Amino acid sequence: TQLLEQSPQFLSIQEGENLTVYCNSSSVFSSLQWYRQEPGEGPVLLVTVVTGGEVKKLKRLTFQFGDARKDSSLHITAAQPGDTGLYLCAGAGPSSNTGKLIFGQGTTLQVKP
Amino acid sequence: DAGVTQSPTHLIKTRGQHVTLRCSPISGHKSVSWYQQVLGQGPQFIFQYYEKEERGRGNFPDRFSARQFPNYSSELNVNALLLGDSALYLCASSLFGGRATGELFFGEGSRLTVL
Repeated sequence: TQLLEQSPQFLSIQEGENLTVYCNSSSVFSSLQWYRQEPGEGPVLLVTVVTGGEVKKLKRLTFQFGDARKDSSLHITAAQPGDTGLYLCAGAGPSSNTGKLIFGQGTTLQVKP
Repeated sequence: DAGVTQSPTHLIKTRGQHVTLRCSPISGHKSVSWYQQVLGQGPQFIFQYYEKEERGRGNFPDRFSARQFPNYSSELNVNALLLGDSALYLCASSLFGGRATGELFFGEGSRLTVL
């Protein structure tokens, strides 16, 4: 069974601080996606990483896919209150031919002004 | 353009009842997936339909069933509801039905409470 473990589960920081969220697995994924979900809404895709070692930047967010495609990280620089939300990583299995995504349990981020 | 629409947004049922949740994908999208998100957890895959055929099924009991209509909308049915079925049910649409390297567009979900 493929599992994705996210850490930390909860993070409460002050505006302007930096943070990193980790997504780890013992399984290989063909691709990994990061989503952000706000209360009462569905998840919204932030980025997809496909190649081992790939780094993608989205403004103050930096996403990295591990060389072995088993892990990923999300780094936020100078966090702002608008970054508050639930961050989810989700992976597609290498042998999967369906649209099934395996989600981590999520990291709840609170950025205080 | 309309995004993924789900109905109802909230509903309350009692144990043993049946529920039907509905989803309309983004225009042009032929794949619909259903996920269950229990409070404090990440979404769990239930079903994927593409071109009206089941393409994938998660580890859920036979009480859960779904179908996709010719207009690509979809229904998720849950029979004999249990307290543990209380969750946010998310529908996601995508262009393709194959390996998920493409973007999933999620609806806002249907919040089911089973009493």
